[in-house]
Amino acid sequence: GAGVSQSPSNKVTEKGKDVELRCDPISGHTALYWYRQRLGQGLEFLIYFQGNSAPDKSGLPSDRFSAERTGGSVSTLTIQRTQQEDSAVYLCASSLVSGFTDTQYFGPGTRLTVL
Amino acid sequence: AQSVSQHNHHVILSEAASLELGCNYSYGGTVNLFWYVQYPGQHLQLLLKYFSGDPLVKGIKGFEAEFIKSKFSFNLRKPSVQWSDTAEYFCAVTTSRGIKAAGNKLTFGGGTRVLVKP
Repeated sequence: GAGVSQSPSNKVTEKGKDVELRCDPISGHTALYWYRQRLGQGLEFLIYFQGNSAPDKSGLPSDRFSAERTGGSVSTLTIQRTQQEDSAVYLCASSLVSGFTDTQYFGPGTRLTVL
Repeated sequence: AQSVSQHNHHVILSEAASLELGCNYSYGGTVNLFWYVQYPGQHLQLLLKYFSGDPLVKGIKGFEAEFIKSKFSFNLRKPSVQWSDTAEYFCAVTTSRGIKAAGNKLTFGGGTRVLVKP
């Protein structure tokens, strides 16, 4: 079946512009996560959605970052007034539920470059 | 907060050599442990995971990992590597418990790039 998809695959933007990154989770998966990976570093958790519950935003690095998940499926991560330190690969993952035994399946990521 | 460290950033070895990648975590409570792999041009995918029971976990493609609680370690091993094992390997942990837990967010190590020479 189809895996997690993300778009765009690459995004180059100028400092100060807003960007939107999209994630389509695996159909039927109720949990959705956003992570980012800066060059030479491991993945950092950003935000988590589970069904209709309030999202866990504890990983968002600043109030310029926000995310929503419409209809319990597609999610959009928005970065306002982008800065050069926002350059990274942004990864989305989904899992069937959010239990600790559930495997998270990752998408291919969006590589964001802020000039 | 928990953290994960991977000791080697880069490993280069020849085919048929044995591989061991170190992973240590810092967290005093119960953890769930994972190794993910990212092959060139591909998505991050799960190699193996440990939740409880036998501390020696076997994963895909001949990989295994051993959880040593006293050492806070979860090292990844493969007795004989192939060129196709060239990839970046990530160790990760979660500390969430239960289906209703507030997320199962993964904390990742910095990754180890493995290059297997044919």
